[in-house]
Amino acid sequence: DAKTTQPTSMDCAEGRAANLPCNHSTISGNEYVYWYRQIHSQGPQYIIHGLKNNETNEMASLIITEDRKSSTLILPHATLRDTAVYYCIVRVSSGGGADGLTFGKGTHLIIQP
Amino acid sequence: EAGVVQSPRYKIIEKKQPVAFWCNPISGHNTLYWYRQNLGQGPELLIRYENEEAVDDSQLPKDRFSAERLKGVDSTLKIQPAELGDSAVYLCASSLTFNQPQHFGDGTRLSIL
Repeated sequence: DAKTTQPTSMDCAEGRAANLPCNHSTISGNEYVYWYRQIHSQGPQYIIHGLKNNETNEMASLIITEDRKSSTLILPHATLRDTAVYYCIVRVSSGGGADGLTFGKGTHLIIQP
Repeated sequence: EAGVVQSPRYKIIEKKQPVAFWCNPISGHNTLYWYRQNLGQGPELLIRYENEEAVDDSQLPKDRFSAERLKGVDSTLKIQPAELGDSAVYLCASSLTFNQPQHFGDGTRLSIL
C-alpha cells in the first residue's frame, strides 16, 4: 500500500469547516483513499472512501485531486465531538491482496469552542 | 445494527500469565481482523480471517499468540505467556467482505504488570 503524509495536528473552531489534507503521491491506479477517525478510548470509525471522484456522505466530503496524489477530508460544520485522530489510508480494495489497513500516525484534530 | 462487540474492555494480568480476548463481529460479516495498537501509534494488523480460515497471519507472533474463529462468527485471540511488551489495546474489526470498509470494536486494553 502507498504511504500517506498528514499533518500531526490541526485546530478548527466549532461550527466552521474542518479541512484535513493528506498526501499520497505514490498512490497506484487501483488504490482507494480511505478515511477513518479514532475518538479517545474508542476503536477507529470509518468515515468515507473514494477512488477518483469526489465523494460525500452524511459525515463528510472527500475531495481527491485530479492526479490523485493528494486528498482533503472536509467536515462541513465541526462540533466538539469531532475532536479525534483522523487517519488517511490508501488501500487496494478490489480482488487479490486486500489485507488489513495500514495506519500511520494520523492528524490530531482539535475542535475549539 | 449492533456493532462489533469486544470483551473484556480492560484486563490487567501479571507477566507470564495467559490472557484471552473475545470478539463478536457484525452479523453477516465474513471478514474479521485483529489489530494491536500501542500507545500513540496507529493500529497494526495481527491476523485476518475469511469466514473460519486465517488468510493472513504473517504479523502474528506465533510463539505466544494464537487465534481462532470457530464456525466463522465469533473469534478469540490468546496470548500465552504474556510479556511486558504485550501491553496495548487489542482491536477487532469486521467487514462484509475483504474489500468493504472495516468496522471496529472499542478494543480490550491489556496491561501487564
